[in-house]
Amino acid sequence: DTGVSQNPRHKITKRGQNVTFRCDPISEHNRLYWYRQTLGQGPEFLTYFQNEAQLEKSRLLSDRFSAERPKGSFSTLEIQRTEQGDSAMYLCASSSKLTGTGGAYGYTFGSGTRLTVV
Amino acid sequence: GDSVTQMEGPVTLSEEAFLTINCTYTATGYPSLSWYVQYPGEGLQLLLKATKADDKGSNKGFEATYRKETTSFHLEKGSVQVSDSAVYFCALSGVGGYQKVTFGTGTKLQVIP
Repeated sequence: DTGVSQNPRHKITKRGQNVTFRCDPISEHNRLYWYRQTLGQGPEFLTYFQNEAQLEKSRLLSDRFSAERPKGSFSTLEIQRTEQGDSAMYLCASSSKLTGTGGAYGYTFGSGTRLTVV
Repeated sequence: GDSVTQMEGPVTLSEEAFLTINCTYTATGYPSLSWYVQYPGEGLQLLLKATKADDKGSNKGFEATYRKETTSFHLEKGSVQVSDSAVYFCALSGVGGYQKVTFGTGTKLQVIP
């Protein structure tokens, strides 16, 4: 397994266009997360899936954002009618329960998709 | 809600100097605490983790102790190297539930020869 894979690595789009990102998690991980990181800030939680079910969406995730995880495998994050404020690094992570650590989970992050809206 | 506060950077140290990056947290219950590192041009990597009070996480010469009484998880290294130059993020995740991670704003470390 090569870890969490995100595509594309970079995306430049014009304001108002729709964009879609893909995340392929580690195959045995049943939990998948999307985060957004802007310059000089820590990653901010966007949404979370357990298998194919989307269990939480942050208030940061406006109606223009939608995420799916069909069949509990890869996930897509779509942004409709992009705005310049959407420019950021979009990170995907997957996790599984660590054995013997009292319920703690091990996270693995992908390298991210950098979105630039011009 | 849960939050993490870490010292602002950038931090500039000479090679072989002692490093401390302060981190304090606010959370309900008993979260897990961790440090992530982001090297230039690379993705986030888990550096070390502690899951309960008084646990010490360690990796690559870095260590941090989960102090419930002071709600802190300070990162330390006895002798930094140029290769340690990176951005370090303190983070917490809740026990149970879905384990989303709350990150601090990051501290940039630059080690000069």
